[in-house]
Amino acid sequence: VQLEESGPGLVRPSETMSVTCSVSGVSVTSGGFSWAWIRHVPGKGLEWIGKVYKVGVSYTTQSLMSRTTISLDPVRNRFSLEIKSMTAADTGVYYCARDTAVAGDYFDAWGRGILVTVSS
Amino acid sequence: DIEMTQSPSSLSASLGDRVTIICVSSENVEDKVNWYQQKPGKAPELLIYGASTLHSGVPSRFSGSGFGTDFTLSIRGLARDDVATYFCQQSYSTFRTFGQGTRVELK
Repeated sequence: VQLEESGPGLVRPSETMSVTCSVSGVSVTSGGFSWAWIRHVPGKGLEWIGKVYKVGVSYTTQSLMSRTTISLDPVRNRFSLEIKSMTAADTGVYYCARDTAVAGDYFDAWGRGILVTVSS
Repeated sequence: DIEMTQSPSSLSASLGDRVTIICVSSENVEDKVNWYQQKPGKAPELLIYGASTLHSGVPSRFSGSGFGTDFTLSIRGLARDDVATYFCQQSYSTFRTFGQGTRVELK
């Protein structure tokens, strides 16, 4: 299983960030898995952003709920994250990960991460 | 959201030492706690799931314990390769949360 993030590394303040995670080795519609976004903001720990497990069904952490969309694209076998109204506080490394419930509940596969900088 | 509080935030230990990291959840999460190791510039890697089950390929010097709200990650015989930041994470709630991390350095 491999996951790989892609998207712009630089976003202007107040603009929308869109990043995509391409998945290989497993179908994003396989049972027992959901697909998550996690970020690491400088000076802070890891923050779970949210996850999607089938088309139209996603969950987002409360602090980002009002400006975040997570979606699944089974045709292209990938999933995406969109965050609106980006600020400097959103600068960080964004990871996509597989959340497996097959033999436990944990993140067992991660992308390398993509650094997103919010700056004018 | 369930809060996961880790301590200490950083520690310094010698090669061969036993290291213990604590994670406390704000509510009962049963045994739904996982531990990850993250090295600079790399994605986190799963060490332990279900509070105490060692993930495939993880050295046996790592161990985890706990149930309910109090959890521990131990490294028995610290190795140079263990210099990293360690995170706990709860999977009891659909809304996953992580601890703030513990940075482990060599003395």
